[in-house]
Amino acid sequence: KAGVTQTPRYLIKTRGQQVTLSCSPISGHRSVSWYQQTPGQGLQFLFEYFSETQRNKGNFPGRFSGRQFSNSRSEMNVSTLELGDSALYLCASKGGHAVETQYFGPGTRLLVL
Amino acid sequence: ILNVEQSPQSLHVQEGDSTNFTCSFPSSNFYALHWYRWETAKSPEALFVMTLNGDEKKKGRISATLNTKEGYSYLYIKGSQPEDSATYLCAFTHSGGGADGLTFGKGTHLIIQP
Repeated sequence: KAGVTQTPRYLIKTRGQQVTLSCSPISGHRSVSWYQQTPGQGLQFLFEYFSETQRNKGNFPGRFSGRQFSNSRSEMNVSTLELGDSALYLCASKGGHAVETQYFGPGTRLLVL
Repeated sequence: ILNVEQSPQSLHVQEGDSTNFTCSFPSSNFYALHWYRWETAKSPEALFVMTLNGDEKKKGRISATLNTKEGYSYLYIKGSQPEDSATYLCAFTHSGGGADGLTFGKGTHLIIQP
């Protein structure tokens, strides 16, 4: 089975721009979660999508949004980029049950200049 | 705000030695505790998911225990090898279930010295 894939792997943007990141989950997985990792902060939960619906959201501003398509692929959008949005963005997929293992993708490293 | 603490922050261990580190989490409304290993330039790799108080899990030389009443989990590595060098993350899910996502600790950075 192919693992979780994320595109692009690296991205450079300037302040004020917007960005869209993509995540393709493991085949058959219906849940996709997004996380942000910044130095010193660890992995922080952004949101989770399940069957095209946002199931829950972490404590991030409204500039961070996402969506999920019928094939379970998910996109994350960040509008009006700020320098502090520079981070590694990871997505993870699982079947959908609470205690299932989440499988992580390789991440997209975003640099905002 | 859920707080997951891991200690130590970093650890240097001689090859062949055994080691362990700690994850502390809120003991109320516990649902599940996950351990991940994250090697540089790779994706976090799932090690264990534990749900029951007293759970013990083992995978090769790595094992983990869980105490939900006092809110801690230990990860043990027996006979450390250079390939064990990685950051070990624990993550907590409370009884809101998986819909709340995982709350991660900041990790223990383990370096195995040959």
